[in-house]
Amino acid sequence: DIQMTQSPSSLSASVGDRVTITCQASQDISNYLNWYQQKPGKAPKLLIYDASNLETGVPSRFSGSGSGTDFTFTISSLQPEDIATYYCQQYDNLPPKLTFGGGTKVEIK
Amino acid sequence: EVQLVESGGGLVKPGGSLRLSCAASGFTFSSYSMNWVRQAPGKGLEWVSSISSSSSYIYYADSVKGRFTISRDNAKNSLYLQMNSLRAEDTAVYYCASPEEVVTALRTWGQGTLVTVSS
Repeated sequence: DIQMTQSPSSLSASVGDRVTITCQASQDISNYLNWYQQKPGKAPKLLIYDASNLETGVPSRFSGSGSGTDFTFTISSLQPEDIATYYCQQYDNLPPKLTFGGGTKVEIK
Repeated sequence: EVQLVESGGGLVKPGGSLRLSCAASGFTFSSYSMNWVRQAPGKGLEWVSSISSSSSYIYYADSVKGRFTISRDNAKNSLYLQMNSLRAEDTAVYYCASPEEVVTALRTWGQGTLVTVSS
């Protein structure tokens, strides 16, 4: 099974800061890597799919990059409404299975 | 508006059974695979099961294989999860989710339904 290692598990940053979260796969997953935002008590929300594609309606301060085993999620300028937990997720098609990273809790300093 | 609404959660004793439902609206339900994802209290997300659009292909996480059964009724725009032999570690919020056209990601999620397994 493919393992996903997401880091850091939590971070604290100031409004306006650039925030970066990484996700590493245990084997090559091409660009089958997605990023979600989850606020307390709410369902996850898809932000980035296939490593770098911004979901419709998601602010452009969110971005993703990477391929193979190493991926990065960036918030270019942290806003108060971005306080949430962020998850990466990989898609394995043999057999079809989704695996989530452990999550990164983002807080305001 | 695309919407998924789960129901059927509740308190059940270890070894018991529960059936979750997910009602879909606002999109062509019969065209897309569907998934169940769960989240234990204070923990991360765990994929549970998926079913193809025509129910031809069904997959489960190892943690629920042999105990849970996913199914769908395209005529009723509904997804189901039959959960048997429940354990304390199955306690979680259960979400139904659809990839729609994205395929590899889950674009639309329900609000979740809480399942608590406790004596």
